[in-house]
Amino acid sequence: DAKTTQPNSMESNEEEPVHLPCNHSTISGTDYIHWYRQLPSQGPEYVIHGLTSNVNNRMASLAIAEDRKSSTLILHRATLRDAAVYYCILRKASGTYKYIFGTGTRLKVLA
Amino acid sequence: DTEVTQTPKHLVMGMTNKKSLKCEQHMGHRAMYWYKQKAKKPPELMFVYSYEKLSINESVPSRFSPECPNSSLLNLHLHALQPEDSALYLCASSQETGPSGGYNEQFFGPGTRLTVL
Repeated sequence: DAKTTQPNSMESNEEEPVHLPCNHSTISGTDYIHWYRQLPSQGPEYVIHGLTSNVNNRMASLAIAEDRKSSTLILHRATLRDAAVYYCILRKASGTYKYIFGTGTRLKVLA
Repeated sequence: DTEVTQTPKHLVMGMTNKKSLKCEQHMGHRAMYWYKQKAKKPPELMFVYSYEKLSINESVPSRFSPECPNSSLLNLHLHALQPEDSALYLCASSQETGPSGGYNEQFFGPGTRLTVL
């Protein structure tokens, strides 16, 4: 299974944009890029996913490099409630959906 | 209702005990998952059920025994656990386990925090 690499931790000031990077140099052509986050004392929750094109939803944006070997999750205005561990996950487009979580990035938001 | 519920929230058991974790969803999802999460580590997949049949067992020791009595319920039976099995056990569900035209996000419950003494 393809692996992802993320920085262990990042800090951001409240109401500023946050760019969370993820490297996935062994990604295959049909792997989807998923992002989940885990707030303290909760299970992970879906944030966004994409295949090749950049994606936007109400929570975040996902920017995918042209060669797909890296991606960036963008939170446009971080709030204190965005403090969480953010996981970048590759999921195959065929077969049984297995999520292999990377080590994740712990985001700290400063007031 | 987009909620996955798990009971109990906390469980303390001895190494000779038998206990069960329960997971329930009413979203009509046909895929359900068990994950194990140690402190400050990412979740690790244990089991996947698809249409109430075991689809994936990630080489989990037999002291963990999953059961899917119906499409809404998932149990994890625990017997003769070791202290190193202490962890947060997460349940998740999704519409399907494979391609179905949708993106099949997984919905996670809050987990059961298990302590084995």
